[in-house]
Amino acid sequence: GAVVSQHPSRVICKSGTSVKIECRSLDFQATTMFWYRQFPKQSLMLMATSNEGSKATYEQGVEKDKFLINHASLTLSTLTVTSAHPEDSSFYICSAGQGEESGYTFGSGTRLTVV
Amino acid sequence: DAKTTQPPSMDCAEGRAANLPCNHSTISGNEYVYWYRQIHSQGPQYIIHGLKNNETNEMASLIITEDRKSSTLILPHATLRDTAVYYCIVRRYSGGSNYKLTFGKGTLLTVNP
Repeated sequence: GAVVSQHPSRVICKSGTSVKIECRSLDFQATTMFWYRQFPKQSLMLMATSNEGSKATYEQGVEKDKFLINHASLTLSTLTVTSAHPEDSSFYICSAGQGEESGYTFGSGTRLTVV
Repeated sequence: DAKTTQPPSMDCAEGRAANLPCNHSTISGNEYVYWYRQIHSQGPQYIIHGLKNNETNEMASLIITEDRKSSTLILPHATLRDTAVYYCIVRRYSGGSNYKLTFGKGTLLTVNP
């Protein structure tokens, strides 16, 4: 089955630094990838949709300059949290789509803690 | 914007069928219904999806009403490992060739021994 690998699984960083999270589709080409954020005991919140070779589409209220998304190839999308602050601490999850008729596969998530 | 309504929690006895309902009364004709589940601190796991016809795979069955305003996910023989939050999602068209999945609050299914 389709596999999406997300790295790192956990990261702790100091306030003010930037953190990059990678999302790779291992056995399929993903023209579209999605980034979600999940706070404790809450549902997943869609942050942005990224298409290979074009700019990401951000959901309302998500700062595009703070959450930089790059989808340079059909198998890799990255999310960079810039100038991270403790309130950015969350569970970040990516997802990749295989096509209109198919399902969407999620990564295992990245637990970001900003201290 | 086709939103979904699910009960916040349900219980099921191990070995019995778990029937999880979902209302999506504002669904459009070409919008798919997707079901995912999430076990604590993991990424969501795809279960099944459908448009109009009932669907079955190795994990579950999806029953969609004829008017498509509601659906039911059936886990035929629930096990303790099926304890998770189950999300019913209507895939929404977002322009161009893009679609997106917007998660609601889901149903916490607890399978009891």
